[in-house]
Amino acid sequence: EVQLVESGGGLIQPGGSLRLSCAASGFTVSSNYMSWVRQAPGKGLEWVSVIYSGGSTYYADSVKGRFTISRDNSKNTLYLQMNSLRAEDTAVYYCASSPRSVVVVDYWGQGTLVTVSS
Amino acid sequence: QSVLTQPPSVSGAPGQRVTISCTGSSSNIGAGYDVHWYQQLPGTAPKLLIYGNTNRPSGVPDRFSGSKSGTSASLAITGLQAEDEADYYCQSYDSSLRSVFGGGTRLTVL
Repeated sequence: EVQLVESGGGLIQPGGSLRLSCAASGFTVSSNYMSWVRQAPGKGLEWVSVIYSGGSTYYADSVKGRFTISRDNSKNTLYLQMNSLRAEDTAVYYCASSPRSVVVVDYWGQGTLVTVSS
Repeated sequence: QSVLTQPPSVSGAPGQRVTISCTGSSSNIGAGYDVHWYQQLPGTAPKLLIYGNTNRPSGVPDRFSGSKSGTSASLAITGLQAEDEADYYCQSYDSSLRSVFGGGTRLTVL
């Protein structure tokens, strides 16, 4: 059974840094497209970043230069390093797995809340 | 402002048919990229409902169907049930190498 479990969210001051983790089980993260998708309170879904099985990475313009997606194959874990956090980064961050294609998310984590506030 | 445009809300009575539209542009849906649909029940993570414009993952009832034409796509739900009350999102790919979502549509079952 595929499972994605996020951790690392919390309250952080503007300008601060946070690293989200997504522990995967039931499949190998390095064999799938893995993404982060966020949802601000009461708002819609926003794609944040993707890492291809080959290692290529892509980012939304809103986070480019501030966020870094990576994975640890030995731990079967996906990460999102978030720097220079802003109030508008406040959201539930979902880890997402896409075995079919780079876009279609078959599996979602439960989400972890990041709140950027002073 | 979302790249893909959806109506903020739709509603229907139990047993009725409702459709949710998703309008894009020549750089995403109109460029030939597939459209996918997700259902998000209150307080839960999204769930894949339709992929590749018309395909249902295992376990999704055939009351849900998708279509695509030109720069738009639609999700249809027939035989509306109370448990269908949720937020629905369309998704596609953009020529800027980004995944894009619609703003979401809240379905209310009257």
